[in-house]
Amino acid sequence: EPEVTQTPSHQVTQMGQEVILRCVPISNHLYFYWYRQILGQKVEFLVSFYNNEISEKSEIFDDQFSVERPDGSNFTLKIRSTKLEDSAMYFCASSEARQGEQYFGPGTRLTVT
Amino acid sequence: AQTVTQSQPEMSVQEAETVTLSCTYDTSESNYYLFWYKQPPSRQMILVIRQEAYKQQNATENRFSVNFQKAAKSFSLKISDSQLGDTAMYFCAFIGAGSYQLTFGKGTKLSVIP
Repeated sequence: EPEVTQTPSHQVTQMGQEVILRCVPISNHLYFYWYRQILGQKVEFLVSFYNNEISEKSEIFDDQFSVERPDGSNFTLKIRSTKLEDSAMYFCASSEARQGEQYFGPGTRLTVT
Repeated sequence: AQTVTQSQPEMSVQEAETVTLSCTYDTSESNYYLFWYKQPPSRQMILVIRQEAYKQQNATENRFSVNFQKAAKSFSLKISDSQLGDTAMYFCAFIGAGSYQLTFGKGTKLSVIP
């Protein structure tokens, strides 16, 4: 069964450093998403991406964040200058249709020290 | 803005019994979609079930079924014949017809007791 994959599973970085989180969505899906979950809290939407552009973003997704689909399979989230409060689990998701089921990857745990 | 409320932070159920998790939501939209996701200790988000607001028939997936009450803006999840593997956090989620983003509730931690 096709699944969303994410790398790395755990990333530790120092405050102020840049990180890139990588995702490979399900191959026939057209809509891609990033969510984050701070430990013990609910899952929060960051950004959605369709047709090679951002289709929607939340207030969390400020200028420190960017997304890219560099080739036909990868989807990346970049945080330019990490802060302590960026420590969270970051989930990538993809869907076939706009309001279709969103399938989540296993997540990347980001720890900023 | 839409909000999703899960009023039960924690619940427990005996193995093989039935349990119902509650979810209410607030929206001004008439067309939308509702989901339940399961998050086991591994923290992977697993889709359990989906309901379209324009469908009156409640969705079912094996042991999982929903009770969708559109007028009351209620969307509860019933798990029948509970199994130890059902132990997880369960999140209710909403997406409006004009949106791309899922809005999640705070979750209910379900423990299945042997």
